[in-house]
Amino acid sequence: GNSVTQMEGPVTLSEEAFLTINCTYTATGYPSLFWYVQYPGEGLQLLLKATKADDKGSNKGFEATYRKETTSFHLEKGSVQVSDSAVYFCALRSSSGSARQLTFGSGTQLTVLP
Amino acid sequence: ETGVTQTPRHLVMGMTNKKSLKCEQHLGHNAMYWYKQSAKKPLELMFVYSLEERVENNSVPSRFSPECPNSSHLFLHLHTLQPEDSALYLCASSHDLADYNEQFFGPGTRLTVL
Repeated sequence: GNSVTQMEGPVTLSEEAFLTINCTYTATGYPSLFWYVQYPGEGLQLLLKATKADDKGSNKGFEATYRKETTSFHLEKGSVQVSDSAVYFCALRSSSGSARQLTFGSGTQLTVLP
Repeated sequence: ETGVTQTPRHLVMGMTNKKSLKCEQHLGHNAMYWYKQSAKKPLELMFVYSLEERVENNSVPSRFSPECPNSSHLFLHLHTLQPEDSALYLCASSHDLADYNEQFFGPGTRLTVL
């Protein structure tokens, strides 16, 4: 079946530090990959997505590249801000099998200190 | 604002109560979802509706009963819940069930079962 593994948190960084949150996946077919962010007290918001190999999703300074050879979709940001403090979820949606279902990782809590 | 609203935002209920959660989407989407988010666990998909028809039920106990009267509204009826059902319940919608379409999430209902 499909699965997503992301690095366990919590992650604590100083403002302007470089961020990497690792995400690897197992899936049948050619999945679409997503990063969602959940700010305190809110639901999940789509941060970025990539639908095929070598695609790069980007938004708000965050980037992730769909690497089929390493089955990875690591999230990066060059300079984090306090406002980036949130929980980040990696997710996939497979093009075969139960295409209705988003499979989520367990989430990574990020705290950015001023 | 993602275009998906949920009410109530917080709910405390006893094990013998009956309550309902409501979700409304203003995006013209055809698919709607219920998820359960428990502490330190990945999001769990509970139900999927497409064009008001239930298309997936992930082995959810019968004390949770969904209802989709039209493509804009989704309800989750609750009765005789257990304390372990306490969680954040998230509603989401997407244009359809295609794998490349992202899901838009509501802010969630924080449910506490006493």
